[in-house]
Amino acid sequence: AQSVAQPEDQVNVAEGNPLTVKCTYSVSGNPYLFWYVQYPNRGLQFLLKYITGDNLVKGSYGFEAEFNKSQTSFHLKKPSALVSDSALYFCAVKGGFQKLVFGTGTRLLVSP
Amino acid sequence: SAVISQKPSRDICQRGTSLTIQCQVDSQVTMMFWYRQQPGQSLTLIATANQGSEATYESGFVIDKFPISRPNLTFSTLTVSNMSPEDSSIYLCSVVPGLGSDTQYFGPGTRLTVL
Repeated sequence: AQSVAQPEDQVNVAEGNPLTVKCTYSVSGNPYLFWYVQYPNRGLQFLLKYITGDNLVKGSYGFEAEFNKSQTSFHLKKPSALVSDSALYFCAVKGGFQKLVFGTGTRLLVSP
Repeated sequence: SAVISQKPSRDICQRGTSLTIQCQVDSQVTMMFWYRQQPGQSLTLIATANQGSEATYESGFVIDKFPISRPNLTFSTLTVSNMSPEDSSIYLCSVVPGLGSDTQYFGPGTRLTVL
């Protein structure tokens, strides 16, 4: 069965510093991986995805993610964090019939 | 992508009652899903809403508790029946816009509190 793990419940970073939110995956076959962000009292917003191709995927709001097959990881990154990036981030993998399996989520707190 | 709206955005309901949540998309989509996000938790898939036929439920979810309709390619409803406080959650619909798309897009969610 497809699954993803987000080992950190919370990540704290100062504004202007680089940020990384970790995700590892377990799949049979080729992975289809996604990152979503959830701001307070709002639904999920799609950030980026990896299907195939370049291991570095660029997405919305300056975020990018690095796919690493040997480490089965898909970490979310941003070179310079903003206070407005503070939110809940979910990694997900596509299962059968377009279903998504989500990780437990990582809360990102960016301090001024 | 697609523009997705949900009604109501939030509600407070009494134990034993039912609530129907609507999901409307601004364009025809191939697939629609319903998820539940319990307080402080991740998202769990409830069911796939199939156009013109019965929904496909995930393990742990049953039609009597969560009846779903999808009369056309732009609209679906989820009913939470005979509610208890344990049903207090955010309910989200999502869509896959077209046959060639791999990405799910989510509605804003419905925040349900059951007293």
